[in-house]
Amino acid sequence: SQTIHQWPATLVQPVGSPLSLECTVEGTSNPNLYWYRQAAGRGLQLLFYSVGIGQISSEVPQNLSASRPQDRQFILSSKKLLLSDSGFYLCAWSGRASGRFYNEQFFGPGTRLTVL
Amino acid sequence: DQQVKQNSPSLSVQEGRISILNCDYTNSMFDYFLWYKKYPAEGPTFLISISSIKDKNEDGRFTVFLNKSAKHLSLHIVPSQPGDSAVYFCAASASAGGTSYGKLTFGQGTILTVHP
Repeated sequence: SQTIHQWPATLVQPVGSPLSLECTVEGTSNPNLYWYRQAAGRGLQLLFYSVGIGQISSEVPQNLSASRPQDRQFILSSKKLLLSDSGFYLCAWSGRASGRFYNEQFFGPGTRLTVL
Repeated sequence: DQQVKQNSPSLSVQEGRISILNCDYTNSMFDYFLWYKKYPAEGPTFLISISSIKDKNEDGRFTVFLNKSAKHLSLHIVPSQPGDSAVYFCAASASAGGTSYGKLTFGQGTILTVHP
């Protein structure tokens, strides 16, 4: 069966510090990978998605970047954190068959980021 | 522009009764809809989905209804249980043509509380 891991679970960082959040998926190959952010009291906002190694699409302009160095690894980064980067970050994956992507996405446990 | 809206921030229901969560969308290109359940500090869990070629999909206590002409979908939970207390998100995808890469647009969520 497929599993998705995220770490760390919680993180407190000062403004201006760098960020690296990691997500890995097991039990599937060539998944679509996604990064979402849930701000306090808000819905889920898609930040980045990737359809393959090195292929990253950004949905919203922001202080963050993403990379996919391996098929089942997705990394969210920032060079200098802002207060507005605080939130709950979620990684998700979806599968594909016969060249089509499944709509169902499966989420990791999330990372609570607090920028002070 | 909020393309997927959940206009009720919260819903309170007695155990054993029916819970009805509503969702409206504006983008006529959406053709696949999903419901997720989320507990605090956890990632969302996929519940049930429906394609636009159907108007109803049932899975145990959960039924999703789709009214394409009204651009409205609803999730029915019968009977409701205290363990159903969580935030429920609806999501939509425009998968026609296979170029959406499975991207989902989420509503803001509805907090469901089921009282014993």
